[in-house]
Amino acid sequence: KNQVEQSPQSLIILEGKNCTLQCNYTVSPFSNLRWYKQDTGRGPVSLTIMTFSENTKSNGRYTATLDADTKQSSLHITASQLSDSASYICVVSRNTGGFKTIFGAGTRLFVKA
Amino acid sequence: DTEVTQTPKHLVMGMTNKKSLKCEQHMGHRAMYWYKQKAKKPPELMFVYSYEKLSINESVPSRFSPECPNSSLLNLHLHALQPEDSALYLCASSRQPSGTNSYEQYFGPGTRLTVT
Repeated sequence: KNQVEQSPQSLIILEGKNCTLQCNYTVSPFSNLRWYKQDTGRGPVSLTIMTFSENTKSNGRYTATLDADTKQSSLHITASQLSDSASYICVVSRNTGGFKTIFGAGTRLFVKA
Repeated sequence: DTEVTQTPKHLVMGMTNKKSLKCEQHMGHRAMYWYKQKAKKPPELMFVYSYEKLSINESVPSRFSPECPNSSLLNLHLHALQPEDSALYLCASSRQPSGTNSYEQYFGPGTRLTVT
């Protein structure tokens, strides 16, 4: 069954600290994996997109990793800011005809001063 | 321009009303999507338009009626909705529909719909 599981479900950290969010997937055949940031009541905004051959991609303070062998991805946030408080959604697409994109349930991150 | 716009931002409607949600993109994307998102849940796919033709309907009730007048516009017509239809409705677009060559989806800010 094609699934995307994210952990933790929620996370509270202090401003300035680093954190790592996890995404495990069983989607096959794999096409790409994307991380989105979604502020409450707003649309998701893309942070990174990685294909099978990529294992690290950075976007400012966000660094995503991908291990296609173990089907795991992580999103590392460095020097967190209050504005990082949001939901982070891992999305995996299948490499097959038609639309096959599976969303994870997301991790809700709260950054406190 | 890498923006997907949606109007209105907020909509309150009664169960007997007819309203429409609008979505627009000028990135030359040929795939457009409607999603429904309940609080603290991931977006759920409703419809996919590929080259202005409806390619996927995820068993959405007929009270939701999509329309793609041209390659830049996507509408969602609403009629006789139920209170449980209250949600954030997201529009997205991508260069082509995801599949053999998946392309990144760009999301709009959403329309917050409340059905009373």
